[in-house]
Amino acid sequence: DAGVIQSPRHEVTEMGQEVTLRCKPISGHNSLFWYRQTMMRGLELLIYFNNNVPIDDSGMPEDRFSAKMPNASFSTLKIQPSEPRDSAVYFCASSPGQGVEQFFGPGTRLTVL
Amino acid sequence: SQKIEQNSEALNIQEGKTATLTCNYTNYSPAYLQWYRQDPGRGPVFLLLIRENEKEKRKERLKVTFDTTLKQSLFHITASQPADSATYLCALDTTGANNLFFGTGTRLTVIP
Repeated sequence: DAGVIQSPRHEVTEMGQEVTLRCKPISGHNSLFWYRQTMMRGLELLIYFNNNVPIDDSGMPEDRFSAKMPNASFSTLKIQPSEPRDSAVYFCASSPGQGVEQFFGPGTRLTVL
Repeated sequence: SQKIEQNSEALNIQEGKTATLTCNYTNYSPAYLQWYRQDPGRGPVFLLLIRENEKEKRKERLKVTFDTTLKQSLFHITASQPADSATYLCALDTTGANNLFFGTGTRLTVIP
């Protein structure tokens, strides 16, 4: 089992550019989560999918952020346009159900200059 | 407002001793609580889950308690080892629907 796969692992971009982060959850898991981690705010849930359907996106900071899950094995988090304050580590996690453990990917470290 | 506090940002203990980490919360009624370990440059790794109707959970050298009256969870590592050095995060789910709210973590250092 390869675990949750995220790409890229590191992304450096300039303010105003579009950024797309990718995630492949563990096969068979029906829940997928996007988190953002910063020193100031810790680990924050951005959006949560269940069976490919967005359930709770109340953590998405603003309209510049969007997430999709076109099928059970792929999800994207897009930021357009990116800003320096979006610099953080973005984690994707998946879970086989509700009320159980979450499996995190290695994260994407995003730097917006 | 809702709040999750972990006792301190950093905790240093001597190898072989028991490490005790605290997670306090306000304005929540969590269905369950989870503890994760995070090493530098890596994603969090699940350790233990305890439900609101459970008082204590154990796994090898780890023990978690959950007091819904005090709104507190304690996480213990017995016979600590330098390899236990990491940041430990508590997380609450108030709905049972996987919406986890994480504390800011406690960075544990076990000194040989």
